[in-house]
Amino acid sequence: KNEVEQSPQNLTAQEGEFITINCSYSVGISALHWLQQHPGGGIVSLFMLSSGKKKHGRLIATINIQEKHSSLHITASHPRDSAVYICAVRGVSNFGNEKLTFGTGTRLTIIP
Amino acid sequence: DTGVSQNPRHKITKRGQNVTFRCDPISEHNRLYWYRQTLGQGPEFLTYFQNEAQLEKSRLLSDRFSAERPKGSFSTLEIQRTEQGDSAMYLCASSGITTDSTEAFFGQGTRLTVV
Repeated sequence: KNEVEQSPQNLTAQEGEFITINCSYSVGISALHWLQQHPGGGIVSLFMLSSGKKKHGRLIATINIQEKHSSLHITASHPRDSAVYICAVRGVSNFGNEKLTFGTGTRLTIIP
Repeated sequence: DTGVSQNPRHKITKRGQNVTFRCDPISEHNRLYWYRQTLGQGPEFLTYFQNEAQLEKSRLLSDRFSAERPKGSFSTLEIQRTEQGDSAMYLCASSGITTDSTEAFFGQGTRLTVV
């Protein structure tokens, strides 16, 4: 079993729909990241969370530390939101190493 | 500062050849990470530098792999005697100098194809 599980693996939705992507993890963490990866490989950090909820534009991220679960929501989805969304957790560090452990990603496709 | 920069963006090499990739982190970041991502998977940790010191290496990093960060600024990742299984995206990330500045910034990656 992977330490970080995401669902769904693939998601196709119509423009304007409300999107939810889920992430569950099995290890103790100091923070959780939501990342966006477009074709070509570059990764952009969307959120870093250690508790509660954060909002940026149409994106909302929540985390429940007790349940070891986080969700990423996209409101009023748009074709430009099409990308792979990756959940990654930051564990307790050795030597200041705050390496990330990644989920396998959710491929989101928004159809006009 | 234009963010984390990786070169080359793409590399095609014949099996058995050596390749070297470069990462230039954000200038004030003292922490630098290398990750490897194969098709359809999330990235996996390879190695970590704090300044010029390589403090952790994954068991994924075989003897054919070596990474350096000689002056605590840019880093290189070398793969010797490449194998087809080395084909992947190699990602570099850097993060800041204080424990509060640990949001990771990623480069565009170097996509390696071994033929």
